[in-house]
Amino acid sequence: GENVEQHPSTLSVQEGDSAVIKCTYSDSASNYFPWYKQELGKGPQLIIDIRSNVGEKKDQRIAVTLNKTAKHFSLHITETQPEDSAVYFCAAGPFGNEKLTFGTGTRLTIIP
Amino acid sequence: DAGVIQSPRHEVTEMGQEVTLRCKPISGHDYLFWYRQTMMRGLELLIYFNNNVPIDDSGMPEDRFSAKMPNASFSTLKIQPSEPRDSAVYFCASSLTSGEQFFGPGTRLTVL
Repeated sequence: GENVEQHPSTLSVQEGDSAVIKCTYSDSASNYFPWYKQELGKGPQLIIDIRSNVGEKKDQRIAVTLNKTAKHFSLHITETQPEDSAVYFCAAGPFGNEKLTFGTGTRLTIIP
Repeated sequence: DAGVIQSPRHEVTEMGQEVTLRCKPISGHDYLFWYRQTMMRGLELLIYFNNNVPIDDSGMPEDRFSAKMPNASFSTLKIQPSEPRDSAVYFCASSLTSGEQFFGPGTRLTVL
């Protein structure tokens, strides 16, 4: 089955700086890669996703890049703000996105 | 829309007791997922349904766990008998085919 590794497990950045979280996956059949943000006491919420026919996708301060050859994808958050503090999860799965395998999460702390 | 609704939000029970967790998916969604989240194992997919039919239950840890979806607007996850190692946060999520998974707020289960 799929195996997703996520690094780092914790990340602290100064407000206004950029944050980068990286994930690798093992199953070359995976072609859907979402990123979720989980705030304390809440369920994960999708913030951005990318499919394998695209190398990069942006949504305002958030971007995701995908390298299918190397089987890794990354989340980039620019101009970080205190409300970006949360746990972020990457995931990988088939096109239909039914069976997602999640990474172990990154606790991001934005230092004011 | 109210989003995915889960009940109870917190459950404390004693080892050996039966526990039933409930989920109401977003109206119109045809996929329903049950996940378990722990510090040690992260976010794990337990089982998912399509149009009320269980499709993949390979993530269900053992026979003490069972899930049902009697209709499109209701699902249950039952643990009988419960054990301390079942303590975790259980999430329900729903989606349209090939769409974003929307997570509920979770049920925090503590088995003493």
